[in-house]
Amino acid sequence: KNQVEQSPQSLIILEGKNCTLQCNYTVSPFSNLRWYKQDTGRGPVSLTIMTFSENTKSNGRYTATLDADTKQSSLHITASQLSDSASYICVVSNGSNAGNMLTFGGGTRLMVKP
Amino acid sequence: GAGVSQSPSNKVTEKGKDVELRCDPISGHTALYWYRQSLGQGLEFLIYFQGNSAPDKSGLPSDRFSAERTGGSVSTLTIQRTQQEDSAVYLCASSLVSGQGSFGYGYTFGSGTRLTVV
Repeated sequence: KNQVEQSPQSLIILEGKNCTLQCNYTVSPFSNLRWYKQDTGRGPVSLTIMTFSENTKSNGRYTATLDADTKQSSLHITASQLSDSASYICVVSNGSNAGNMLTFGGGTRLMVKP
Repeated sequence: GAGVSQSPSNKVTEKGKDVELRCDPISGHTALYWYRQSLGQGLEFLIYFQGNSAPDKSGLPSDRFSAERTGGSVSTLTIQRTQQEDSAVYLCASSLVSGQGSFGYGYTFGSGTRLTVV
């Protein structure tokens, strides 16, 4: 069964600190892995899309890693800001990008406190 | 219900026809989201409901798209005069998130409705 597990489920950090969110998946075959940021009450916004051959991809203060052998991904946030408070969703596709081919993680709720 | 239920799972319609997509969220979930995923694209947010009201409709692509939610439960997404570019998978999700500043539980997504406009 295709599954995407994210950890931790929720996280509270102080402004300025770094944090790392984890995503483990069992989706097969693998096409790509996406990290989304979703502010409360808003739609998710794509942060990165990683394919099989990509190990690291950065987007500003966000850096995603992918280990296709162990089927693990991480999202590292450096120098956190209050605006980073949101849900971060890991989504894995097995090829067609159709709704029933996407496996979603349950998300990590991040709260950045001043 | 045990999960978010969407119907139909697949819909083929002729260009110019109206379609209605249904989402039945998890019982007790106050927040409901509609997303769209076109081929090769990421999730595209359409609209968000908190109870029966829609605080955020910013993602609706045109006035042919509308959605409503009744009784804080079932939601329908209506597309009028469908166009070929409307072909996509429409995903619904629900959560316990109750509003700005609160942290609810995980978002539960339905399996989607695959809409094909021919």
